[in-house]
Amino acid sequence: EAGVTQFPSHSVIEKGQTVTLRCDPISGHDNLYWYRRVMGKEIKFLLHFVKESKQDESGMPNNRFLAERTGGTYSTLKVQPAELEDSGVYFCASSQDSFTGGNYNEQFFGPGTRLTVL
Amino acid sequence: AQKVTQAQTEISVVEKEDVTLDCVYETRDTTYYLFWYKQPPSGELVFLIRRNSFDEQNEISGRYSWNFQKSTSSFNFTITASQVVDSAVYFCALSGISGGYNKLIFGAGTRLAVHP
Repeated sequence: EAGVTQFPSHSVIEKGQTVTLRCDPISGHDNLYWYRRVMGKEIKFLLHFVKESKQDESGMPNNRFLAERTGGTYSTLKVQPAELEDSGVYFCASSQDSFTGGNYNEQFFGPGTRLTVL
Repeated sequence: AQKVTQAQTEISVVEKEDVTLDCVYETRDTTYYLFWYKQPPSGELVFLIRRNSFDEQNEISGRYSWNFQKSTSSFNFTITASQVVDSAVYFCALSGISGGYNKLIFGAGTRLAVHP
């Protein structure tokens, strides 16, 4: 079974440009999450989709970030326009329902996209 | 507020040494889960263990063991007889009922370097 995949693995852009990151969750996982790790600090939650709906977007830093999950399959995270402080590693994760049969379903993470804004 | 603190930024050991990675958490939730993830050089976060707040039993899996102490809000991770393949960044995380158990709160990670 394929794991969570993310594209691209690395992106280098200039300040002011636009970048779109893509995440393909594990097949059948309705829950999809975006996280970000900036400059060796903690990994921070950005948002959570259940199918195509945004369940929680409390971690989105500002309106330059737009996440979509049309059709409830893959998701994209667009940064427009990118700023220097957006540099970091963006992780995507997916899971089944939080709980199945009383058991917690852990989140499976992709390899991340390393974004460098110059 | 929820917070996870991993005070050790980097640890360097020689192969076969035992090493303990510390994790201290803060939460007001009465029900929560604690996790450890490993990030090898390939980049993905690999799930290692989950522990719920009602289960304070320590767990051992091969060379890995975890010590959960609610009284000190700690969930420490010990690797016995470390190996070079253990070199990675290790993250401790928390998920509580207040976030619907969906939002993981991570610590800053501890980079472990195991030298031959």
